[in-house]
Amino acid sequence: KNQVEQSPQSLIILEGKNCTLQCNYTVSPFSNLRWYKQDTGRGPVSLTIMTFSENTKSNGRYTATLDADTKQSSLHITASQLSDSASYICVVSDRGSTLGRLYFGRGTQLTVWP
Amino acid sequence: EADIYQTPRYLVIGTGKKITLECSQTMGHDKMYWYQQDPGMELHLIHYSYGVNSTEKGDLSSESTVSRIRTEHFPLTLESARPSHTSQYLCASSEYILRDFVPPSGELFFGEGSRLTVL
Repeated sequence: KNQVEQSPQSLIILEGKNCTLQCNYTVSPFSNLRWYKQDTGRGPVSLTIMTFSENTKSNGRYTATLDADTKQSSLHITASQLSDSASYICVVSDRGSTLGRLYFGRGTQLTVWP
Repeated sequence: EADIYQTPRYLVIGTGKKITLECSQTMGHDKMYWYQQDPGMELHLIHYSYGVNSTEKGDLSSESTVSRIRTEHFPLTLESARPSHTSQYLCASSEYILRDFVPPSGELFFGEGSRLTVL
């Protein structure tokens, strides 16, 4: 069964600190992996998209890594800000069907305290 | 910033009422989707469309229906709302790529969501 597991479920850090969120997946055959940021009461917004051949991609203070062999990804946030408080969702797409299905994780709820 | 809009943002209605959640995008995307999201849970696909006059049911069984008469418009309708329909509904769109629905040009853009509460 294709699955996407994220950890931790929730995380509290102080402003200015770094943090790393984890995503493990079993989706096969793999097409790509995306990280989204979802503010409370809003729609998800894309942070990064990585294909099989990419093992790191940055978007400002956000850096995503991908290890397609171990089927793991991480999202590293540097010098956190209060506005980083949100849910971060890992989404994996397969290549095995015409739909190009998306498998969503449950998200990691990040809270940044001043 | 994504040009995809949902209305209403919030709706509280009584059981048995008919409701339509509107979704419009101005990006000319062929593919559109409706997802359902409950707190702490993953998004579940309930409907999608490849283009005009194309609609398909998603993974999650839903009593809702959709239509796609125009490229930019993808409304979702509940004929008779029940408390079990209380949820957040997210509309999304992406470009349609015949061989691969995803990057680099298959970026998925979400609307702000419609929070439905059925009493």
